[in-house]
Amino acid sequence: ETGVTQSPTHLIKTRGQQVTLRCSSQSGHNTVSWYQQALGQGPQFIFQYYREEENGRGNFPPRFSGLQFPNYSSELNVNALELDDSALYLCASSWTSEAGDTQYFGPGTRLTVL
Amino acid sequence: GDSVTQMEGPVTLSEEAFLTINCTYTATGYPSLFWYVQYPGEGLQLLLKATKADDKGSNKGFEATYRKETTSFHLEKGSVQVSDSAVYFCALSDTGGSYIPTFGRGTSLIVHP
Repeated sequence: ETGVTQSPTHLIKTRGQQVTLRCSSQSGHNTVSWYQQALGQGPQFIFQYYREEENGRGNFPPRFSGLQFPNYSSELNVNALELDDSALYLCASSWTSEAGDTQYFGPGTRLTVL
Repeated sequence: GDSVTQMEGPVTLSEEAFLTINCTYTATGYPSLFWYVQYPGEGLQLLLKATKADDKGSNKGFEATYRKETTSFHLEKGSVQVSDSAVYFCALSDTGGSYIPTFGRGTSLIVHP
């Protein structure tokens, strides 16, 4: 059973550009959540996808968008990058979207915006 | 809204010392509570969880008890090792509210030989 994987590991972009981050869920998981973790902070919830539909969203602007595919892999897209978007982006998958369900995290993508 | 407050770090201990990391929460419903650990350069790993009041989560010598009366979920370990050095995050997922997972800011633990 493979765990959650993310790509790329690191990424450097300039302000105003667009970026796509990718996540492969753990086998059998139908729910994926994305988080932004700024340096020295806890993860902040961006949104969650359950069976290809957005299932909840945190306090992030619409330029943060996502997709979940039939195989339950997922993408996070960020348009019009700003310097404050520099962070570690974490993907987590779970068996269900239930609140008490365990989330399994990937290693993250480190995004630097210059 | 929901929130999680953790004690500030870093917490610096000698090997075999007793560890406590305090965590308190506010929630509108009946949250599930979690402790995650993050080793340098890695993502988060679930350490333990509790889904209802008075439940005790435990794993790898770590324990935490869900205390509804004090809205707390303190992490403890009787004898820490150098390999326990990491950042520890307390989190909740509220079944009665928006369920959006909420994390604390993390507490860095440094264990010296």
